[in-house]
Amino acid sequence: DAKTTQPNSMESNEEEPVHLPCNHSTISGTDYIHWYRQLPSQGPEYVIHGLTSNVNNRMASLAIAEDRKSSTLILHRATLRDAAVYYCIPIPAGNMLTFGGGTRLMVKP
Amino acid sequence: DAMVIQNPRYQVTQFGKPVTLSCSQTLNHNVMYWYQQKSSQAPKLLFHYYDKDFNNEADTPDNFQSRRPNTSFCFLDIRSPGLGDAAMYLCATSRDWAGNQPQHFGDGTRLSIL
Repeated sequence: DAKTTQPNSMESNEEEPVHLPCNHSTISGTDYIHWYRQLPSQGPEYVIHGLTSNVNNRMASLAIAEDRKSSTLILHRATLRDAAVYYCIPIPAGNMLTFGGGTRLMVKP
Repeated sequence: DAMVIQNPRYQVTQFGKPVTLSCSQTLNHNVMYWYQQKSSQAPKLLFHYYDKDFNNEADTPDNFQSRRPNTSFCFLDIRSPGLGDAAMYLCATSRDWAGNQPQHFGDGTRLSIL
């Protein structure tokens, strides 16, 4: 499984964009890059995933580096409800999620 | 509407007393997963089913077993819970194995051991 490196924590102001980085330099060519988040006292929640191209959905955008060794999750306007632990997970065939440490995002009003 | 439902949300059992946690899904997904999440740690996969085919992670203790009687339901049995088994247990589903399929999680059952 690809090893990931994420900042332990990040802070953002409400209503501002947030860029959450992830390094996955050992990713395999067929691994999808998934992002999940976990709010306090809840199960993880799927955010977005991609393979090579940048992806957008109603929750976030995912920017994938050309060499696929890193990616960035972009929350366009952070709200207090976005405060959570964000996990970046490269997924090989077989769809097994191996959670790393994640980034704890704090949002200040 | 909840799509992956775990009951109960909180479960207390005694040391050594068998306990069963349940999970149901309304998504008709082929794959179901059980994760263990200890305090301040990331979730860790215990086992998963593709339909009725059971797959155990190599380091899942023998104390943990699972049953999937039909597509909708999956159970986690802990035969003789120890204090170290106190954790949040998360159930998840996905349509199939493909790496582009999101997993859908329930809100978990928090297990306490007295």
